[in-house]
Amino acid sequence: SQTIHQWPATLVQPVGSPLSLECTVEGTSNPNLYWYRQAAGRGLQLLFYSVGIGQISSEVPQNLSASRPQDRQFILSSKKLLLSDSGFYLCAWSRPWGAGSPLHFGNGTRLTVT
Amino acid sequence: SQQGEEDPQALSIQEGENATMNCSYKTSINNLQWYRQNSGRGLVHLILIRSNEREKHSGRLRVTLDTSKKSSSLLITASRAADTASYFCAATSGAGSYQLTFGKGTKLSVIP
Repeated sequence: SQTIHQWPATLVQPVGSPLSLECTVEGTSNPNLYWYRQAAGRGLQLLFYSVGIGQISSEVPQNLSASRPQDRQFILSSKKLLLSDSGFYLCAWSRPWGAGSPLHFGNGTRLTVT
Repeated sequence: SQQGEEDPQALSIQEGENATMNCSYKTSINNLQWYRQNSGRGLVHLILIRSNEREKHSGRLRVTLDTSKKSSSLLITASRAADTASYFCAATSGAGSYQLTFGKGTKLSVIP
């Protein structure tokens, strides 16, 4: 069976500090990978998605970047965090069947920038 | 633009009652999906309905899709306290689109 691991679960970081959130998927090959952000009481905002190693598409211009160094590893980074980067970050994967495949989410990282 | 918009924003019912949540969208879609999110956790996929389908069932869940009205509904029958969660609809549109656009969700509370 497929599993997705996302860490850390919670993170408190000062403004201006760097960020690295990691996500790994097990039990499947060549998944599509996604980073979403959820602000309090809001829907999910797609930040990045990847259909293969080294292929990253950005949906929203911002202070964040993503990388996919291995087939089942997806990393969300920032060089300098802003207060507005606070939120609940969710990694997800889907089968490589094209657009509209169901997403399978990790348990999220609660990021608070102080 | 927001593809999925759920209604109501919050819903409180007694255990055993049925819960109905609605979703409206703006443009033509490939498919529409419903997800559940327990507090502080990731989303869990519940059901997917394709644009050429009108109704779909999965256990106590019933989803309908009306493409002429650009709307969908999720019915949970015989609700349980464990159904307490937020429910989101999400849709993709356009060929090759990977953006699954989520609404803000309906927060369902089932009172034992």
